[in-house]
Amino acid sequence: KAGVTQTPRYLIKTRGQQVTLSCSPISGHRSVSWYQQTPGQGLQFLFEYFSETQRNKGNFPGRFSGRQFSNSRSEMNVSTLELGDSALYLCASSSGEGLTEAFFGQGTRLTVV
Amino acid sequence: AQSVSQHNHHVILSEAASLELGCNYSYGGTVNLFWYVQYPGQHLQLLLKYFSGDPLVKGIKGFEAEFIKSKFSFNLRKPSVQWSDTAEYFCAVIMNRDDKIIFGKGTRLHILP
Repeated sequence: KAGVTQTPRYLIKTRGQQVTLSCSPISGHRSVSWYQQTPGQGLQFLFEYFSETQRNKGNFPGRFSGRQFSNSRSEMNVSTLELGDSALYLCASSSGEGLTEAFFGQGTRLTVV
Repeated sequence: AQSVSQHNHHVILSEAASLELGCNYSYGGTVNLFWYVQYPGQHLQLLLKYFSGDPLVKGIKGFEAEFIKSKFSFNLRKPSVQWSDTAEYFCAVIMNRDDKIIFGKGTRLHILP
């Protein structure tokens, strides 16, 4: 069974630009969650999508948005990038039904210069 | 606010030493508990999980964790660490049945050969 795939693996953007990150979950999984990982703040929850609907949302500004497609693939968009948005962005997939563990991708390393 | 605390941010041990990493959460209801590990350059992987039943949980690679409900704790232990255990360890908690998973800030473990 293929794991969670995130693309691209590395990205360099300049301040003010926008970026779109992609996540393909494990086949059959309907839930995709996004996290931001930084040395100072650790792992912080961004949002979760289940069956194309945002089911949960963390405490991030509106510049961070996402969507999920009918095939469960998800994209995350960050607009008007700031230097502080530099981080490892992780995607996790789960079946989304009740209590389940999450399977993580290797992440996209975003550097904003 | 619901939170997960990992009190040890950075731990350095010699090989064969015993390990205990602390994890506490703030929530009085039913919880589901996880420990994830991130080896250098790799993605997050599940070490062990507790949903119900025996509060002493065995995981992979000789790790175990004990859920103590009265102390709101889920500490990770290993009797004898190896150099290959060098990694970052994250405690995570789901505090409501369908709620998002909340991660601690992680403990960076460095094992001296």
